[in-house]
Amino acid sequence: EAQVTQNPRYLITVTGKKLTVTCSQNMNHEYMSWYRQDPGLGLRQIYYSMNVEVTDKGDVPEGYKVSRKEKRNFPLILESPSPNQTSLYFCASSITGQLYEQYFGPGTRLTVT
Amino acid sequence: ELKVEQNPLFLSMQEGKNYTIYCNYSTTSDRLYWYRQDPGKSLESLFVLLSNGAVKQEGRLMASLDTKARLSTLHITAAVHDLSATYFCAVDTPLIKAAGNKLTFGGGTRVLVKP
Repeated sequence: EAQVTQNPRYLITVTGKKLTVTCSQNMNHEYMSWYRQDPGLGLRQIYYSMNVEVTDKGDVPEGYKVSRKEKRNFPLILESPSPNQTSLYFCASSITGQLYEQYFGPGTRLTVT
Repeated sequence: ELKVEQNPLFLSMQEGKNYTIYCNYSTTSDRLYWYRQDPGKSLESLFVLLSNGAVKQEGRLMASLDTKARLSTLHITAAVHDLSATYFCAVDTPLIKAAGNKLTFGGGTRVLVKP
């Protein structure tokens, strides 16, 4: 079954404690992306990756890092989380140029206290 | 910077009546998508609109795209409780610095259908 998986699904952490949210897809997609969802703001892109070792900033990259060492994985790293990063995070993947067939992960709800 | 505005942000519907959600965007694009999100769930693709004048229908939902007006509408006919969800539009535009595209989402419209 084609899918995008994220872990953990829920996370409560404290300010400054480094964390990683993993994302994995099994469709051999080149394009992967991270979004955060906040009420009234829709989804905003944090980072995207066109392929292995190729990543770039989206609209709200501050406070986040990513890496793409393997095609299937695209982890999101928060080196020093702050309360304003409390949000719902989605990973997504697609064939490059075919965003109309973008697959979204189930989401990770992060709370930073 | 591309802006995508949905309105209304919240829509309380009565069963059996018709409603429209609007999605306005600020730059040229002929690709727009609609998604549905149920509480606690991920996004589900509803419609893919790939050209000016495109119209897609599925059940009680119909989406259209007017690229000249930079406007898409999602029309709900005879609302039913099962349609309660949050609806997002997203505009597909080329990346500035690299080959490829990106999606810019509207703020979402939370729909609640009451009996």
